[in-house]
Amino acid sequence: EAGVAQSPRYKIIEKRQSVAFWCNPISGHATLYWYQQILGQGPKLLIQFQNNGVVDDSQLPKDRFSAERLKGVDSTLKIQPAKLEDSAVYLCASSTGQGQETQYFGPGTRLLVL
Amino acid sequence: AQTVTQSQPEMSVQEAETVTLSCTYDTSENNYYLFWYKQPPSRQMILVIRQEAYKQQNATENRFSVNFQKAAKSFSLKISDSQLGDTAMYFCAFMKHRSSGDKLTFGTGTRLAVRP
Repeated sequence: EAGVAQSPRYKIIEKRQSVAFWCNPISGHATLYWYQQILGQGPKLLIQFQNNGVVDDSQLPKDRFSAERLKGVDSTLKIQPAKLEDSAVYLCASSTGQGQETQYFGPGTRLLVL
Repeated sequence: AQTVTQSQPEMSVQEAETVTLSCTYDTSENNYYLFWYKQPPSRQMILVIRQEAYKQQNATENRFSVNFQKAAKSFSLKISDSQLGDTAMYFCAFMKHRSSGDKLTFGTGTRLAVRP
């Protein structure tokens, strides 16, 4: 079974530029999560999707971050414009969506904003 | 809101010995799940072990076991016969039980080094 795929693995941008990350969850997984992991900290949820609907985006900085999962499968997370404090690893995770789930994580995208 | 506390930023253990990582949490929920995840330097987060709060029996997975004390809100991880490949960051995480799943709330992690 293929795991959660993410791309790119690394990205370096200047502040005020825009960037997009892509995630393809495990096949058949209804729930998809985006987490932000700042160096030295545990991951924090940005947004949770159930199929193509948003379940929780309370911690998403909506003035600069956006995310979509249009067909209920893969997802993109965008930052526009980026700030220095957005430098972090962005982790995508998926689960079956049936309540007792374990979340499976992708390899993450490391973003550096200069 | 839930909080997860890992009070040991770093731990070190000799290969083949046993080490215990501590985790406490705070919640008003009665039905929830607890997890230990491992994050090696390659960065991919890997599930080590999970515990359902309604189960009194402590979960075990090969060399990994937990000591779940629900009343004390404590969830420690014991690694027996430590191996060099166990070197990683270990995160304790909490999840409320919801029909469609819920977010993980992570602690700040414990960096474990296994010495040869």
